Amino acid sequence: DTAVSQTPKYLVTQMGNDKSIKCEQNLGHDTMYWYKQDSKKFLKIMFSYNNKELIINETVPNRFSPKSPDKAHLNLHINSLELGDSAVYFCASSPGPTGEKLFFGSGTQLSVL
Amino acid sequence: AQSVTQPDIHITVSEGASLELRCNYSYGATPYLFWYVQSPGQGLQLLLKYFSGDTLVQGIKGFEAEFKRSQSSFNLRKPSVHWSDAAEYFCAVPSTDKLIFGTGTRLQVFP
Repeated sequence: DTAVSQTPKYLVTQMGNDKSIKCEQNLGHDTMYWYKQDSKKFLKIMFSYNNKELIINETVPNRFSPKSPDKAHLNLHINSLELGDSAVYFCASSPGPTGEKLFFGSGTQLSVL
Repeated sequence: AQSVTQPDIHITVSEGASLELRCNYSYGATPYLFWYVQSPGQGLQLLLKYFSGDTLVQGIKGFEAEFKRSQSSFNLRKPSVHWSDAAEYFCAVPSTDKLIFGTGTRLQVFP
């Protein structure tokens, strides 16, 4: 009974393609996040949503568009994929918007060829 | 702005040995501080957190951390490491509605 689940786990695609990663949490949390982890394991926040409203939008190319249809889901759509987008993308959730005590999904490894 | 620094990129210990992973913080007031662990191929899991009160915090999997204001540190410790503790460890501090992570320390455990 996974608390934060994201799909797919692996995503291999060509440059220029458009892809989506889905995330769902069954914890009843109000806030969800997308983090990007690069090859050196550095974790950087991309977006956060609280009750379906965008509250954090870090310096991320506008090719990345998050969508939150309800507070249990936060999907990430990426247009025109580039080589530099290759990374592991983590979805996370927390009870409130202060960014404390995050629950993470197991990650989506994106490889752009 | 709040930040955390993990000075050690990679640490190797023998199974059964004690462990200390360093974390230094930069924060104006009394910080909230966290340690997360990332096992290979997995997301991060919260090990322990410090909000206030007792400066020695107990976490899961036998880990503890001590908040030392005088040294701006929140080091993670374990008295006897198990092979299953091999993972990446991240110190973190909240900052304006998000969690800021350190660069991580990779722990390798030899039998």
